[in-house]
Amino acid sequence: AQSVTQLGSHVSVSEGALVLLRCNYSSSVPPYLFWYVQYPNQGLQLLLKYTSAATLVKGINGFEAEFKKSETSFHLTKPSAHMSDAAEYFCAVSEGRQGGKLIFGQGTELSVKP
Amino acid sequence: ETGVTQSPTHLIKTRGQQVTLRCSSQSGHNTVSWYQQALGQGPQFIFQYYREEENGRGNFPPRFSGLQFPNYSSELNVNALELDDSALYLCASSPPDGINYGYTFGSGTRLTVV
Repeated sequence: AQSVTQLGSHVSVSEGALVLLRCNYSSSVPPYLFWYVQYPNQGLQLLLKYTSAATLVKGINGFEAEFKKSETSFHLTKPSAHMSDAAEYFCAVSEGRQGGKLIFGQGTELSVKP
Repeated sequence: ETGVTQSPTHLIKTRGQQVTLRCSSQSGHNTVSWYQQALGQGPQFIFQYYREEENGRGNFPPRFSGLQFPNYSSELNVNALELDDSALYLCASSPPDGINYGYTFGSGTRLTVV
């Protein structure tokens, strides 16, 4: 069965600092991986996705993630944090090629200090 | 293009009652999935509908049921509400090739069971 582990339920960085949110997955088949962001009292917004093309994926708002099969990881990074990046971030893996369910991690809350 | 819209945004129900939540998928999307997000948790897959038929179900009891209509909009029905059903319910839509597209989420319905 597929699963996702997000290391660190809460990450705090200073404005302008590097953002690193960790995600490890477990999958018996080639995974499709996603990062979503959730602002308070809102739904989920897709940041980026890995669908077996380039291993370095660039998303919106300056975020990117690198798929590392040997480490079963898909960590999310941003070179310089902005106050508006403060939100909850979810990593997810898809169970099948034809849509199917997304399996989410528990989420990481990102705080950005001025 | 319009995104995914959900209604109502909030509602309060009494334990034992029944509730219906509604979702209008994004234009051109024929697949709809429903997720339950308890406070402080990642979303959990309830079920998915494709061409008006259930196409995958998560670990939820039969009192959670759904419908998809010819215009691809969808309903989530929950019978015999329990206190633990209090959560944010998210709807996501996708085109047939959802895995390569990603999934568009609505803003959710916040259900409180008292």
